[in-house]
Amino acid sequence: SQTIHQWPATLVQPVGSPLSLECTVEGTSNPNLYWYRQAAGRGLQLLFYSVGIGQISSEVPQNLSASRPQDRQFILSSKKLLLSDSGFYLCAWSPSGVYGYTFGSGTRLTVV
Amino acid sequence: DAKTTQPPSMDCAEGRAANLPCNHSTISGNEYVYWYRQIHSQGPQYIIHGLKNNETNEMASLIITEDRKSSTLILPHATLRDTAVYYCIVRAAGGTSYGKLTFGQGTILTVHP
Repeated sequence: SQTIHQWPATLVQPVGSPLSLECTVEGTSNPNLYWYRQAAGRGLQLLFYSVGIGQISSEVPQNLSASRPQDRQFILSSKKLLLSDSGFYLCAWSPSGVYGYTFGSGTRLTVV
Repeated sequence: DAKTTQPPSMDCAEGRAANLPCNHSTISGNEYVYWYRQIHSQGPQYIIHGLKNNETNEMASLIITEDRKSSTLILPHATLRDTAVYYCIVRAAGGTSYGKLTFGQGTILTVHP
């Protein structure tokens, strides 16, 4: 069966520090991968999605970047965190076509 | 993708059916209706999806009107663990929005003992 792993679960980082969040999927090939962010009390905002290795589409201009160095690995990064980067970050995957998404357990990031 | 409209909140008694409505009057022919839910501090969970026929699985039933402009998610016997935010999403199977889910504010369902 397919599983999605996301870590760490919580993270507290100072303003100006770098960020790297990793997401991996097991049990499938060539998945579509997504990064979402949810600010406190707000809905989910799509940040990046990828349909293949090295293929990244950005939905919102921001202080973050994404990379997909391997088929089942999706990384969210920042060179210098801002206070506004705080939130709940979720990775998700889906097979191609009309199937639903499966979300990871999320990373709660607090920038202080 | 077409926009959806959901009530901000609903209440339901434990053991009763919860019927969550969603309007998607601008839905186009190739767009599917998806339902997800998010329990506090967890990632969203897929519930069900459909195109034009009613669908049922182990979690819920999805009723789509004949004109496809609205749908209802039915949880047949709500439990306290069904308390969550429920999102109705319309998504095309292809085109420029391929694969992307756009979440609105959803409906906060509270199941009472």
